[in-house]
Amino acid sequence: DAMVIQNPRYQVTQFGKPVTLSCSQTLNHNVMYWYQQKSSQAPKLLFHYYDKDFNNEADTPDNFQSRRPNTSFCFLDIRSPGLGDAAMYLCATSSQQGTNEKLFFGSGTQLSVL
Amino acid sequence: QQQVKQSPQSLIVQKGGISIINCAYENTAFDYFPWYQQFPGKGPALLIAIRPDVSEKKEGRFTISFNKSAKQFSLHIMDSQPGDSATYFCAARWGAQKLVFGQGTRLTINP
Repeated sequence: DAMVIQNPRYQVTQFGKPVTLSCSQTLNHNVMYWYQQKSSQAPKLLFHYYDKDFNNEADTPDNFQSRRPNTSFCFLDIRSPGLGDAAMYLCATSSQQGTNEKLFFGSGTQLSVL
Repeated sequence: QQQVKQSPQSLIVQKGGISIINCAYENTAFDYFPWYQQFPGKGPALLIAIRPDVSEKKEGRFTISFNKSAKQFSLHIMDSQPGDSATYFCAARWGAQKLVFGQGTRLTINP
């Protein structure tokens, strides 16, 4: 039972060509996150939504944007991808109800920039 | 410092042995310390977690040891199995929803 679903699994784009990655969840969690993970590195938080409230990390480049049209869906937009943006992009959710702090990750979208 | 330092970067253990991965932190405001397991091509999955008011937590073959005064915590995998071969990330939470990850340890269990 997939709970956090990311599409597509692999995405190839051209240098400078806008690209959108999508994430959906069936958990009805109120918090959704986007992480960037480069090869053999730790996941790095780009931003997160607490309900509709958007929270950007201070070091996230302006090139990265996000949209959350409803509870279930969240999108990552990369306006002008550079070669350095090639990475695995991980979507995660958490409920933030009571003491439940567990993050549920999707399988990720591997982005290649040509 | 919103940073968690993890070691070793890679680890090879014989089947049945004990795997030990260590993490250290500076920020005393961290209040939750999970470990995540990641298999190739998959997202990380929560393995076990501990709060700083507890010195040890055990779930099956997995144990977290936590040393608050030293600002260190470690994951011990007892009776390591080939199916445990994966990348392990320690993490620490600061702020309401912010989790910072360690650099990861690639664990290989030889049969």
